[in-house]
Amino acid sequence: QKEVEQDPGPLSVPEGAIVSLNCTYSNSAFQYFMWYRQYSRKGPELLMYTYSSGNKEDGRFTAQVDKSSKYISLFIRDSQPSDSATYLCAMSAGSGNTPLVFGKGTRLSVIA
Amino acid sequence: DAGITQSPRYKITETGRQVTLMCHQTWSHSYMFWYRQDLGHGLRLIYYSAAADITDKGEVPDGYVVSRSKTENFPLTLESATRSQTSVYFCASNAGGPENIQYFGAGTRLSVL
Repeated sequence: QKEVEQDPGPLSVPEGAIVSLNCTYSNSAFQYFMWYRQYSRKGPELLMYTYSSGNKEDGRFTAQVDKSSKYISLFIRDSQPSDSATYLCAMSAGSGNTPLVFGKGTRLSVIA
Repeated sequence: DAGITQSPRYKITETGRQVTLMCHQTWSHSYMFWYRQDLGHGLRLIYYSAAADITDKGEVPDGYVVSRSKTENFPLTLESATRSQTSVYFCASNAGGPENIQYFGAGTRLSVL
């Protein structure tokens, strides 16, 4: 079993839909959780960051972490065509140079 | 320009040739990383560095060499390129704070023929 599992999609939704993206993980030591967004032919850019369990909201984006279930989610409300990208979850057990472990990414298309 | 820059953006080479991919960051971040991204595998860590002259292997280091003589630069060398090293390579840096947030360059698309 991979440390981090993420459904690669592709996921296609109509504009305005609520999108749910998810990752599961096996390492209970993970405590830093991130979502990166990657547009085609670009580098990943940080979208959301969460430490330990709980929710974090930023505009149309909400990140949830459930450490008891080893499950993290990213919700996108009122999705827009500009949200079309690949979304990568990432997590680590420590700070500094502790390597991040990435999911394989979910490709999302929002259709106008 | 501030940030992290990679060069070249695109590179075509032949098997057996030596290739060096460059990475430069202007933030004075302590930590730097090299990843490769392939369909079906996602991002995989090749090497990382905690400071000048300190480097460590990641998940897939075979066939690659890194150096870090200056904090701002972290070149990645393929000593004898193979077709399996055809990939998109990303460099990233991290200030080393508790958040462990990495910032990525735009990537180098490498084709080995």
